[in-house]
Amino acid sequence: DAKTTQPPSMDCAEGRAANLPCNHSTISGNEYVYWYRQIHSQGPQYIIHGLKNNETNEMASLIITEDRKSSTLILPHATLRDTAVYYCIVRALTGTASKLTFGTGTRLQVTL
Amino acid sequence: GAVVSQHPSWVICKSGTSVKIECRSLDFQATTMFWYRQFPKQSLMLMATSNEGSKATYEQGVEKDKFLINHASLTLSTLTVTSAHPEDSSFYICSARAPGTGELFFGEGSRLTVL
Repeated sequence: DAKTTQPPSMDCAEGRAANLPCNHSTISGNEYVYWYRQIHSQGPQYIIHGLKNNETNEMASLIITEDRKSSTLILPHATLRDTAVYYCIVRALTGTASKLTFGTGTRLQVTL
Repeated sequence: GAVVSQHPSWVICKSGTSVKIECRSLDFQATTMFWYRQFPKQSLMLMATSNEGSKATYEQGVEKDKFLINHASLTLSTLTVTSAHPEDSSFYICSARAPGTGELFFGEGSRLTVL
């Protein structure tokens, strides 16, 4: 079971911020929220992860709600190269819960 | 960042033959690697967890005699699709878990086509 729920698809205009939501209402206390993306016919690419605080790196920002039941991945200035399937995954760092179980993800289409 | 490499990136084989796919962690030692399969327009499905020096752990519904996994060293895991059939045609992806942080890094994937 993927344990996350994401909208199947989203569109975003190039240069605008892309906000991708994810629900993970059954997340456990030791589970992190991870985001990966997969561009067509490539392996998944790590984007960002967090436990309970908001995180930012050179690719994106991750906003996690205080109750940790949902999060939003923000691509601040989307480009055409950001068109991909984005996966939100919850996992622990050790033990059997550390394996990544992929849901259906959100297909983001960035347009001119 | 860490690099995980798969070989071959694509392969075409005849039905009934066996195909081996390699997954290498290039700059770290991985005691655990994972193998996924992805059909067109679908998500990645975890097939098995490969543990160095021990038997792989297969997910429910995955035939261990059909998909042989060997993790003989800390930097190499192999997946052998035995007696391949057209329905085994898929995109196979591996990931390796880095020691310490537990972060997972993915290979580029291997596309198998069985004629």
